[in-house]
Amino acid sequence: EAGVAQSPRYKIIEKRQSVAFWCNPISGHATLYWYQQILGQGPKLLIQFQNNGVVDDSQLPKDRFSAERLKGVDSTLKIQPAKLEDSAVYLCASSFTGGAVGYTFGSGTRLTVV
Amino acid sequence: GQQLNQSPQSMFIQEGEDVSMNCTSSSIFNTWLWYKQDPGEGPVLLIALYKAGELTSNGRLTAQFGITRKDSFLNISASIPSDVGIYFCAGQSYNTDKLIFGTGTRLQVFP
Repeated sequence: EAGVAQSPRYKIIEKRQSVAFWCNPISGHATLYWYQQILGQGPKLLIQFQNNGVVDDSQLPKDRFSAERLKGVDSTLKIQPAKLEDSAVYLCASSFTGGAVGYTFGSGTRLTVV
Repeated sequence: GQQLNQSPQSMFIQEGEDVSMNCTSSSIFNTWLWYKQDPGEGPVLLIALYKAGELTSNGRLTAQFGITRKDSFLNISASIPSDVGIYFCAGQSYNTDKLIFGTGTRLQVFP
């Protein structure tokens, strides 16, 4: 089966600019996650969707980050305005039924804010 | 946010050697997982553990779910060059899909 698709792979922006990342999960996977991985650290959950509803967004900095999953398939994560500390890899993952064992991660989008 | 403590932070070993790394938490988890991440890729699941005291193997990899449910261990036997990468532990609590990841152990294998 095709994996989790993410784009772009790399993005460089100036601080205070806006940026958007796109994720296409594995077909049929109802649960979608966005994780932020700062260099030298493990991934941290930003938001979890179940179909097109938000399950957990407690770690999402809502003053600048937003995410949506219209129609319960593709998802976009947006940052506006970006700060230097947002430089990180943004990983999307999906699972069929939920639960950690079913997670499949995408390759991520590496964001550099200068 | 919470992160689990992994040690060692990095390891430089010779091909054929065995490797051990561990992960500790201040919280109890119901599931422990071990992932490997290659450069430019997302984490890939290696082993999942569901029960305190459980010992599970996947080829040359063996992992254990600590009795206290606050720690886990990963061993790699007879390391090979393709074992190079960053190894992450992750814990999952009951009734949530959220994973709490460790700080990672970077493994380098020299021929």
